[in-house]
Amino acid sequence: QKEVEQNSGPLSVPEGAIASLNCTYSDRGSQSFFWYRQYSGKSPELIMFIYSNGDKEDGRFTAQLNKASQYVSLLIRDSQPSDSATYLCAVSRNEKLTFGTGTRLTIIP
Amino acid sequence: DTAVSQTPKYLVTQMGNDKSIKCEQNLGHDTMYWYKQDSKKFLKIMFSYNNKELIINETVPNRFSPKSPDKAHLNLHINSLELGDSAVYFCASTDRGEEKLFFGSGTQLSVL
Repeated sequence: QKEVEQNSGPLSVPEGAIASLNCTYSDRGSQSFFWYRQYSGKSPELIMFIYSNGDKEDGRFTAQLNKASQYVSLLIRDSQPSDSATYLCAVSRNEKLTFGTGTRLTIIP
Repeated sequence: DTAVSQTPKYLVTQMGNDKSIKCEQNLGHDTMYWYKQDSKKFLKIMFSYNNKELIINETVPNRFSPKSPDKAHLNLHINSLELGDSAVYFCASTDRGEEKLFFGSGTQLSVL
């Protein structure tokens, strides 16, 4: 079992709709959870982080964490073509950040 | 002003050669990392240094040797390059305990 699992996609979402990205992790001791966005040919950039169960909202982005289910998700509201990218889920324990393989998201105009 | 800078951006070389990648950060961070991203976009940690001290050393062949002359620099030297070393190598930095990584622009290594 991979430590951090994501559906590789591609996930296609119409412009203006909600994009929902999911991630599961295997280590129950994971402490911090992150979403990075990576445009093709570019480096990953942090867009959201969450430490506690529940929802965390930042603009059009909402991160959701359920530690009991070992599940993290990212919702993108009012999806824009500029949101088209690969989204990497990452979990951290003892300063070691482990990434998933990413979900490729395409927003269709 | 580039926060985390890596050189070179592209590196094309023959099997068996030795090459180095350099990384510098001007963010004042005390922890730096090397990550390898393969063709399937899987980003895997290789090494982590805190204030010049090695703190994470994943299962990486000992052909790979990191060096940190000071907390703002972390270089990666690779001996006897193999085809499987072809990947994008990312340097990253953070403050210890922060966990929010800032990545460099990556070095695309192609071994022929």
